[in-house]
Amino acid sequence: ETGVTQTPRHLVMGMTNKKSLKCEQHLGHNAMYWYKQSAKKPLELMFVYNFKEQTENNSVPSRFSPECPNSSHLFLHLHTLQPEDSALYLCASSQDIRSGGAIQYFGPGTRLTVL
Amino acid sequence: GENVEQHPSTLSVQEGDSAVIKCTYSDSASNYFPWYKQELGKRPQLIIDIRSNVGEKKDQRIAVTLNKTAKHFSLHITETQPEDSAVYFCAASPGGYQKVTFGTGTKLQVIP
Repeated sequence: ETGVTQTPRHLVMGMTNKKSLKCEQHLGHNAMYWYKQSAKKPLELMFVYNFKEQTENNSVPSRFSPECPNSSHLFLHLHTLQPEDSALYLCASSQDIRSGGAIQYFGPGTRLTVL
Repeated sequence: GENVEQHPSTLSVQEGDSAVIKCTYSDSASNYFPWYKQELGKRPQLIIDIRSNVGEKKDQRIAVTLNKTAKHFSLHITETQPEDSAVYFCAASPGGYQKVTFGTGTKLQVIP
């Protein structure tokens, strides 16, 4: 499954570190998403980008900063995270279908541990 | 905003039996309802979806029903097999690339 890739697959960082997660999709989609998956809140939507424009910010703390330079790439910049931010971060992409619903294709995720 | 509730949180069935997972949603603007399956250690993958203009959709052993009046939809798996063991998520969306709200997941265990 190489349609949506994420790097790194695992990341351990201290609370004062700055790191970035990368997502790349090879499906020709125009919409990309970041989700946080934890035991407390499975599949919690964080951000949505469509044609490189952010269309949704689901009240995410500013220590998470997304970047979408083009429709194929999505980044999540992390700084001064808290231990409760430890989770699996999933990227997804979909076509820009204005009606009828868009199937989301997920990447394998980045397992983040904040010490 | 949209609120999706999913029940049960865990479900154990004997191989060959049927499994039913139920979801309710709150936003009447939602018109697209996908179901995702996530096997242990793997990414979520779409298994079936339904749009608001139909009441039922079937794909082999999997079927989904939608009651827009009552704002609930259900996943039915018949003749369950061990490989059906996974976490299943329902979701609701107003359509397109817009915000998709997921349920809290159901961990299905099929006992051989």
